[in-house]
Amino acid sequence: DTEVTQTPKHLVMGMTNKKSLKCEQHMGHRAMYWYKQKAKKPPELMFVYSYEKLSINESVPSRFSPECPNSSLLNLHLHALQPEDSALYLCASSQVPPPLTGAGVGEQFFGPGTRLTVL
Amino acid sequence: QQQVKQSPQSLIVQKGGISIINCAYENTAFDYFPWYQQFPGKGPALLIAIRPDVSEKKEGRFTISFNKSAKQFSLHIMDSQPGDSATYFCAAIPSSNTGKLIFGQGTTLQVKP
Repeated sequence: DTEVTQTPKHLVMGMTNKKSLKCEQHMGHRAMYWYKQKAKKPPELMFVYSYEKLSINESVPSRFSPECPNSSLLNLHLHALQPEDSALYLCASSQVPPPLTGAGVGEQFFGPGTRLTVL
Repeated sequence: QQQVKQSPQSLIVQKGGISIINCAYENTAFDYFPWYQQFPGKGPALLIAIRPDVSEKKEGRFTISFNKSAKQFSLHIMDSQPGDSATYFCAAIPSSNTGKLIFGQGTTLQVKP
């Protein structure tokens, strides 16, 4: 299985709602990532998990809360979001977790994303 | 600050033509240069990648050319097809592998039939 899957595909939520995005990979990758992408822009890194531990938080507001229950799963819990948080949220995984280097470093495999709309 | 600059922002090519997208970087401490292809409503897909000790890499119709002294690399799509119409992002990963891909701003390619 060489896929990263994400659910749901689309999510509409109000500013007072609590929701979660889910990501799963079965490639045995030990690093997983959350990105946010606005239209016509490159993905922006939010969080990096390496060996199921949070290794990078790119100064993301606390209304976004990541969780890595095991090496195959990654969640992003959402609470009290703002309309400007509407975006495509992408999950990715890689075989070589930071800070390791070597063959395969930088090869991140992305899921299809969750299109989030905050009303 | 580590940066990757990508050009052009958009590109229109006739079917069968060559599409060329250029990127330049400003920091020598990069170890890996991947290109991603993204179709509307989909996640980016790794297309092809190169290491700085190699000057060229070819996979099918896609070729990366790398000029280490000029700190530039480019993607060539030979015999461009309408199905190649997508947004292309160049990227670089620091040698320290923080996990953070440094993306270019993207090029929207349209291949006309």
